[in-house]
Amino acid sequence: NAGVTQTPKFQVLKTGQSMTLQCAQDMNHEYMSWYRQDPGMGLRLIHYSVGAGITDQGEVPNGYNVSRSTTEDFPLRLLSAAPSQTSVYFCASSPRGGANTGELFFGEGSRLTVL
Amino acid sequence: GDSVTQMEGPVTLSEEAFLTINCTYTATGYPSLFWYVQYPGEGLQLLLKATKADDKGSNKGFEATYRKETTSFHLEKGSVQVSDSAVYFCALSSGTSGSARQLTFGSGTQLTVLP
Repeated sequence: NAGVTQTPKFQVLKTGQSMTLQCAQDMNHEYMSWYRQDPGMGLRLIHYSVGAGITDQGEVPNGYNVSRSTTEDFPLRLLSAAPSQTSVYFCASSPRGGANTGELFFGEGSRLTVL
Repeated sequence: GDSVTQMEGPVTLSEEAFLTINCTYTATGYPSLFWYVQYPGEGLQLLLKATKADDKGSNKGFEATYRKETTSFHLEKGSVQVSDSAVYFCALSSGTSGSARQLTFGSGTQLTVLP
């Protein structure tokens, strides 16, 4: 019962470095998304995907890239990390259509620190 | 745009006390409303939801009623336990079918229950 799996759980980067946060789900969910969680600001949507080959921007997409080559995987890429990207990142998924009850299934989060 | 406002925390209660966490929202149309809970070191998980006016969502002793006239969805529990200590997020989805694609979250309320 893996659900939504995120790696790594912790990461420290220097300004300007690049990295990829991995997200995989084994529930055959069409919809996947990335949120960032900052103190006092709740969760804000970065990017989302409604299926393989389809991605779209959320509320705070700048500085992040995504791709969706398979149903299972939805990696988030930081091309040139900045201290403002220090945050906790959550990947989430849900089914579409008739199976969609409005519930998002979250991973355990990835804590990123950019020095 | 859509927005969710939660009461500011942190909230500290003694075991068996009554809990209320206020949540009000602004949205177009008829949103679905959710409460998510985040236990320490974990991702968010759905606690309860309501999809139309006057619906009451309930789970694990928690309840919330969708009040369209006051645009509110306050979370209540009659007797809290130490194990309820967590961060609680109010959220809405304004998709026509309760789609989770565009969830808007409140800033979260930290609850600590003391024995």
